[in-house]
Amino acid sequence: GQQLNQSPQSMFIQEGEDVSMNCTSSSIFNTWLWYKQDPGEGPVLLIALYKAGELTSNGRLTAQFGITRKDSFLNISASIPSDVGIYFCAGRRSRDDKIIFGKGTRLHILP
Amino acid sequence: DGGITQSPKYLFRKEGQNVTLSCEQNLNHDTMYWYRQDPGQGLRLIYYSQIVNDFQKGDIAEGYSVSREKKESFPLTVTSAQKNPTAFYLCASSRGAVNYGYTFGSGTRLTVV
Repeated sequence: GQQLNQSPQSMFIQEGEDVSMNCTSSSIFNTWLWYKQDPGEGPVLLIALYKAGELTSNGRLTAQFGITRKDSFLNISASIPSDVGIYFCAGRRSRDDKIIFGKGTRLHILP
Repeated sequence: DGGITQSPKYLFRKEGQNVTLSCEQNLNHDTMYWYRQDPGQGLRLIYYSQIVNDFQKGDIAEGYSVSREKKESFPLTVTSAQKNPTAFYLCASSRGAVNYGYTFGSGTRLTVV
């Protein structure tokens, strides 16, 4: 099935740096979801976006629903060690309400 | 607290055996899902169910079977027909027939030995 283009695939950053990742598609979405998955656990919802242009924050995390409705990004400010994990985007495709997942961005934080 | 419980956390299976993974939720969610996760891959949908006694195939249903006899429960059977069953399996649920944000279980890691 179709998957979203999520980038980057992995990131190595220093503690305290800001992080940015994004998801793009050729399809239009009416919902964007960002999840974080810790090793050996299920994904946990971080932010949900429901309107084009919407900008939502959750602590140090900020996500935006792209104006074209075909993309979304997630920013993490001032990264800390517990931010390590895999971040997934997921979009609910407008034409059939199907949830499509990106392949994830694996975040590594260097000591 | 409401949530989704998957069991067991780790499961080992001999080739040729069927195994059943458990998923129970007390969120009163209507829709339940099973996903498969492989390293470096996104989540791939196996089956989903929007109502008791009804379920639909996802993108990779071959070699799997499900049942939905109760709203709270959605067990997944990995049959011997599944050629490459070693993976991390995630159960999820959402409110309503239209899929809003999911709540995920903590997963079951299945290994074929």
